[in-house]
Amino acid sequence: DGGITQSPKYLFRKEGQNVTLSCEQNLNHDAMYWYRQDPGQGLRLIYYSQIVNDFQKGDIAEGYSVSREKKESFPLTVTSAQKNPTAFYLCASSDWWENGSEQFFGPGTRLTVL
Amino acid sequence: EDKVVQSPLSLVVHEGDTVTLNCSYEVTNFRSLLWYKQEKKAPTFLFMLTSSGIEKKSGRLSSILDKKELFSILNITATQTGDSAIYLCAVEDYGGSQGNLIFGKGTKLSVKP
Repeated sequence: DGGITQSPKYLFRKEGQNVTLSCEQNLNHDAMYWYRQDPGQGLRLIYYSQIVNDFQKGDIAEGYSVSREKKESFPLTVTSAQKNPTAFYLCASSDWWENGSEQFFGPGTRLTVL
Repeated sequence: EDKVVQSPLSLVVHEGDTVTLNCSYEVTNFRSLLWYKQEKKAPTFLFMLTSSGIEKKSGRLSSILDKKELFSILNITATQTGDSAIYLCAVEDYGGSQGNLIFGKGTKLSVKP
């Protein structure tokens, strides 16, 4: 089965702790993305990576970090510097086509800070 | 600044009604516009509209892209309760390399029996 997996499904964190969200894809896509979704806010881009060992900040990168050591994996770390981390986090991947790139989404991780 | 605006933000209809969801955009380097349906978790892909494909149809859903007026609409005919979801519009901004998606805030559609 080809697709994107995210884990865990639900994550609870105490203030001051770093947590890492996992994202794996077996679609052989070059590009991967992390989004944050808050009620009424739509999806906002945190980080993206177009190729292994390279990544770029999105619109709301502060307080987050990523790595892209393997094509299949793009983990997101939510650091203690992120002031309001409670949200739904979505990972996506895409291939590149001349006319447009459809992004495929994972099932998401809901992070709650206690 | 690039932006994508969807309207209305929420909509309540009854089964059998026809609905039209709107998406307007201002993007520097437009490449494509995508519609997604989000029920409980991951958004699922509906349509991609580009310069070479400005009208798409699948069953009761259809979408058009007006590149001159910078908007798209998503039509759903004979709505069913299973159409209840958040519908997301996203525009791909192609800045010389692989494009990134800019999302609107979504339209929450509720279909009552």
